[in-house]
Amino acid sequence: KQEVTQIPAALSVPEGENLVLNCSFTDSAIYNLQWFRQDPGKGLTSLLLIQSSQREQTSGRLNASLDKSSGRSTLYIAASQPGDSATYLCAVRSGGGKLIFGQGTELSVKP
Amino acid sequence: DGGITQSPKYLFRKEGQNVTLSCEQNLNHDAMYWYRQDPGQGLRLIYYSQIVNDFQKGDIAEGYSVSREKKESFPLTVTSAQKNPTAFYLCASQPPLAGSTDTQYFGPGTRLTVL
Repeated sequence: KQEVTQIPAALSVPEGENLVLNCSFTDSAIYNLQWFRQDPGKGLTSLLLIQSSQREQTSGRLNASLDKSSGRSTLYIAASQPGDSATYLCAVRSGGGKLIFGQGTELSVKP
Repeated sequence: DGGITQSPKYLFRKEGQNVTLSCEQNLNHDAMYWYRQDPGQGLRLIYYSQIVNDFQKGDIAEGYSVSREKKESFPLTVTSAQKNPTAFYLCASQPPLAGSTDTQYFGPGTRLTVL
């Protein structure tokens, strides 16, 4: 059974720092991996989607990498801003379209 | 304006009552999903439907029921059999599984509180 774990559960950094969020999964047979952002009391917004054949995806200050063989993904946020404060969730898609989510990392960027 | 909507935003229920959460989408997506989110536990799948008039149990279906009579609508009923229903409920939809790049689109959520 696929399990997804995110470390750390919470992270607080000063504005301007570069930071890395981690995601690990137990079964390497995935179709893709996604990173989502969730603001308090809101739904999820997709940030980056990495296909199983890809190694990384970039969007603006965000870069996500995927290493299927080791069951790991990282989300790199460059030059963090207070507006980046949110919970970041990773999810892997297995057969049938279902997503398996990690517990999330709650990020706080202090001005 | 295309999107996925959930109502109500906040819902209060007395113990022993059934309550139905609404989820509507006008994205013409075939698949729809219901998730439950508790603090520190991420999202857990309750039910999903790949096509009208068909749905499947997810990982935590006990105490919940769904229907899929229309492509646009996938209501979730939280029954009195659900022992701990207080949570944030999220609905999502997904286009046909044409490739590995398809993502799920999420509604804004409904926060259910049992009094």
